[in-house]
Amino acid sequence: DAKTTQPPSMDCAEGRAANLPCNHSTISGNEYVYWYRQIHSQGPQYIIHGLKNNETNEMASLIITEDRKSSTLILPHATLRDTAVYYCTPEIDSNYQLIWGAGTKLIIKP
Amino acid sequence: DSGVTQTPKHLITATGQRVTLRCSPRSGDLSVYWYQQSLDQGLQFLIQYYNGEERAKGNILERFSAQQFPDLHSELNLSSLELGDSALYFCASSVDTRQREQYFGPGTRLTVT
Repeated sequence: DAKTTQPPSMDCAEGRAANLPCNHSTISGNEYVYWYRQIHSQGPQYIIHGLKNNETNEMASLIITEDRKSSTLILPHATLRDTAVYYCTPEIDSNYQLIWGAGTKLIIKP
Repeated sequence: DSGVTQTPKHLITATGQRVTLRCSPRSGDLSVYWYQQSLDQGLQFLIQYYNGEERAKGNILERFSAQQFPDLHSELNLSSLELGDSALYFCASSVDTRQREQYFGPGTRLTVT
């Protein structure tokens, strides 16, 4: 299992790229890194996932280091609506369920 | 809109009572998950069903139970409610049983008074 750490909070200016780091130094070779976000009290929203290659979709980009010990979620042009808690979830439990940490509270400032 | 629906949106009830929360998964999804999120807490996995069968159990109290029906909708039953059961309850669905790309509903906010 991976031990996951994320900064508790981050600020970013509107229109700038938001880069959210995640350390998962003990991730096993076949565990994907999933990212979700939760806008205040709404249901979490799937963003993106990856194994070892960088990934991009319409919402974000995911950069995974070659040693897979860390990853960065990039929101290329942050808007106020991107203010949310972002969860990096590389860990799964014995039931193959996602393990949810505290995430990073990202605040986008005008 | 994730395609997952949950009812009711809000529920206020008294201690000792029993409530039922309902979830309809996205069209085509066979797996349903239930989560609990207490105030300022992280998501706690409760239970998973796949095509009508229980597949995994997390931190679900014995006072709580769930089922998934043939039409794939699911219900979470909470009984002998306590103040500490006040929380947001989310349902999520995915295509298959080990799919971690999950789609969440808007949640049911339960308040026990």
